Amino acid sequence: DAKTTQPPSMDCAEGRAANLPCNHSTISGNEYVYWYRQIHSQGPQYIIHGLKNNETNEMASLIITEDRKSSTLILPHATLRDTAVYYCIVRVGGGSQGNLIFGKGTKLSVKP
Amino acid sequence: DTGVSQDPRHKITKRGQNVTFRCDPISEHNRLYWYRQTLGQGPEFLTYFQNEAQLEKSRLLSDRFSAERPKGSFSTLEIQRTEQGDSAMYLCASSLDSPWGKNIQYFGAGTRLSVL
Repeated sequence: DAKTTQPPSMDCAEGRAANLPCNHSTISGNEYVYWYRQIHSQGPQYIIHGLKNNETNEMASLIITEDRKSSTLILPHATLRDTAVYYCIVRVGGGSQGNLIFGKGTKLSVKP
Repeated sequence: DTGVSQDPRHKITKRGQNVTFRCDPISEHNRLYWYRQTLGQGPEFLTYFQNEAQLEKSRLLSDRFSAERPKGSFSTLEIQRTEQGDSAMYLCASSLDSPWGKNIQYFGAGTRLSVL
């Protein structure tokens, strides 16, 4: 079973920031938080990951709480093309664990 | 583009037939994964390879399913005696496993199987 809890759906206005929450209260010290998204009829796309520090790349920012029990993915200026299902996944970093365990994710709808 | 490539993109077959899917990973990646996704659900892990060795298999991978990666490059997933319940999107992903690496899995576009 997935180790994370996400809201099933969210709406966001185009051009505004989209903040997607994720709870992972049972996360272990060596587990990272990964975010993927899946646009309709495509394979999942890697967005970002982090251990305990906040991370930013060209796609998004990841904010992890100090106790690491929750995190927020931020899309700073959402566009219609960001409409997708967003998955928050917790797993051990490096190569020691093979598979990703996906939950049902959050369906983000960006509206004009 | 040198991303993960899957073939075919769509496959329609009759119940009881055998089907085979192919996945070509990103060239320097040593790990290759297969997942299955049904409508409204997240992808579910099936199996993965490190080079040519199959290291883990999910209990979802019944005896009718077999995966190979003979030379540590491309992989095939075969389903024998297909059933309607096998209808799903089959996703392939690859990653570069190293102690200092991020081990990010990159996915292909998938093969959508419809069993009639």
